Amino acid sequence: KAGVTQTPRYLIKTRGQQVTLSCSPISGHRSVSWYQQTPGQGLQFLFEYFSETQRNKGNFPGRFSGRQFSNSRSEMNVSTLELGDSALYLCASSLEGSLNEKLFFGSGTQLSVL
Amino acid sequence: GQQVMQIPQYQHVQEGEDFTTYCNSSTTLSNIQWYKQRPGGHPVFLIQLVKSGEVKKQKRLTFQFGEAKKNSSLHITATQTTDVGTYFCAGSGGYQKVTFGIGTKLQVIP
Repeated sequence: KAGVTQTPRYLIKTRGQQVTLSCSPISGHRSVSWYQQTPGQGLQFLFEYFSETQRNKGNFPGRFSGRQFSNSRSEMNVSTLELGDSALYLCASSLEGSLNEKLFFGSGTQLSVL
Repeated sequence: GQQVMQIPQYQHVQEGEDFTTYCNSSTTLSNIQWYKQRPGGHPVFLIQLVKSGEVKKQKRLTFQFGEAKKNSSLHITATQTTDVGTYFCAGSGGYQKVTFGIGTKLQVIP
């Protein structure tokens, strides 16, 4: 069974630009969550999608948005990039997204904003 | 909102020494999970604890869930270089989303 796939693996952007990251969950998994990881901040929850609907949202500005498609693949978009958005963005999938399910993480997208 | 504190943030140990990381939640948890992230890698699920006072072992790793279900610990006996990485706890309570601790970065000196 293929794992969680994130593309691209690395991205370099400049301030003010926008970026779209992609996540393909494990086959059969309907829940996809996104996390921002920075040194000293750990894993910060961005949002969770289930059956094409955003079910939970973290404390990030509206510049961060996402969506999920009917095949459970998810995209995350960041508009008007700021230097502080430089981070590793991880997505994680699970079957139903219930709180007692383990999360399967992708390898992440390393975003650098110059 | 729910907060999960994890200490220490960094730990250097000599190979063969023991290591412990602690998590404390501001609220009672339904369960707590532990993940390990190797350098340059992504978090990988280790274990889940659900019951009050639960203790689980995986070879040299011992996981505990507090009686009040507000704290947890991970103890590694006789660390090896393969234990290097960052260990995260992740707690969830009620209908809230999973909240990750900041992680403990373990360095093992050969």
